[in-house]
Amino acid sequence: AQSVSQHNHHVILSEAASLELGCNYSYGGTVNLFWYVQYPGQHLQLLLKYFSGDPLVKGIKGFEAEFIKSKFSFNLRKPSVQWSDTAEYFCAVILTGGGNKLTFGTGTQLKVEL
Amino acid sequence: GAVVSQHPSRVICKSGTSVKIECRSLDFQATTMFWYRQFPKQSLMLMATSNEGSKATYEQGVEKDKFLINHASLTLSTLTVTSAHPEDSSFYICSARTHLGGETQYFGPGTRLLVL
Repeated sequence: AQSVSQHNHHVILSEAASLELGCNYSYGGTVNLFWYVQYPGQHLQLLLKYFSGDPLVKGIKGFEAEFIKSKFSFNLRKPSVQWSDTAEYFCAVILTGGGNKLTFGTGTQLKVEL
Repeated sequence: GAVVSQHPSRVICKSGTSVKIECRSLDFQATTMFWYRQFPKQSLMLMATSNEGSKATYEQGVEKDKFLINHASLTLSTLTVTSAHPEDSSFYICSARTHLGGETQYFGPGTRLLVL
């Protein structure tokens, strides 16, 4: 069965620091990849997605992610975080042709300190 | 972006009663709707997938007689927790998928259920 791993469970950064959150998936077939964010007390929001084409994907709020097929990875990055980026971040994968079920990673709790 | 609403946002009920949660896609028609359960400090676990007008497909280990799903239209799905017990207390989240923008799922705000 496909699985999604997020190795960083808790990350604490100071404002203006650079961010990289890891995401790896286990399946070698064709996948669609997503990053969702859940701000405190709010629902999941789509940050960015990759279906095909340029493996470097730009999302909202200055986030980007790079799909590296050889490494089965889709890491999320932001060059300079803000206090308002404090939230939980979920990587998710859909295995195309495999029931189209969205499989989530365990999430990474990011805290940005002033 | 696409908006998904859920109602109620919080519900407290007595053990043995049934609770209905509504999920609506407000500005788009959802080809498929999903119901998830989220435990504290854990990721979302898919409970079931439903398509309008057909029976829901439940994930392994999810009791279909306990968690009744009705997908009445392309914009409305309901989850009924029947004969709720304290172990059913959780955060239930619905999601709706649209073909617009390439099979993207949008999530509702969730419903916090507490069974006493």
